[in-house]
Amino acid sequence: EVQLVESGGGLVQPGGSLRLSCAASGFTVSSNYMSWVRQAPGKGLEWVSVIYSGGSTYYADSVKGRFTISRDNSKNTLYLQMNSLRAEDTAVYYCARDKGKWELNYYYYYMDVWGKGTTVTVSS
Amino acid sequence: DIQMTQSPSSLSASVGDRVTITCRASQSISSYLNWYQQKPGKAPKLLIYAASSLQSGVPSRFSGSGSGTDFTLTISSLQPEDFATYYCQQSYSTPRITFGPGTKVDIK
Repeated sequence: EVQLVESGGGLVQPGGSLRLSCAASGFTVSSNYMSWVRQAPGKGLEWVSVIYSGGSTYYADSVKGRFTISRDNSKNTLYLQMNSLRAEDTAVYYCARDKGKWELNYYYYYMDVWGKGTTVTVSS
Repeated sequence: DIQMTQSPSSLSASVGDRVTITCRASQSISSYLNWYQQKPGKAPKLLIYAASSLQSGVPSRFSGSGSGTDFTLTISSLQPEDFATYYCQQSYSTPRITFGPGTKVDIK
């Protein structure tokens, strides 16, 4: 079964750090684009970061320079290292697989597998 | 960044109703538009990709249309399990994707 399971969330003080993990089963993380998406309490979805199968990484401006996405191929696990955390980083963090598919001569990406999420609370 | 808007922000409907949700992009995104359903306390679920392609396992009462800047998600006959929040998402500017603000569908 294709599955993603996040862990590592918790309560952290402003300025602190946290590392989120996303363990995959049923597919290979390193062969896919993998994203982190977050959702602040009562708010919508916000893309945070993506790592490509080739290793390139990209970040939302709101987290650039503070967050680092990575993966451990031997553990088939995706990570998000979060430093210098702020109150506005409080959210449920989801990892997701970005699947690509050809449709009528165009290549489309969409998030077809999601984890259940892990909650990060930044507060003193 | 490409901005996405959705209308309405919320709607009340009855079981069996036909429901239409609109999503608009701030610039043309061709057909690079996906739709997700999210229920309270749950992860989003992919419904439609490439504007009109139904994800495997999604009921056929869901359909998507549109291209360029204007898109529509239609539920042909609303079922009890469809009460949720729906988000559009553009993948035109991959990797910098953006989501719409969501449309909450609740019971009338």
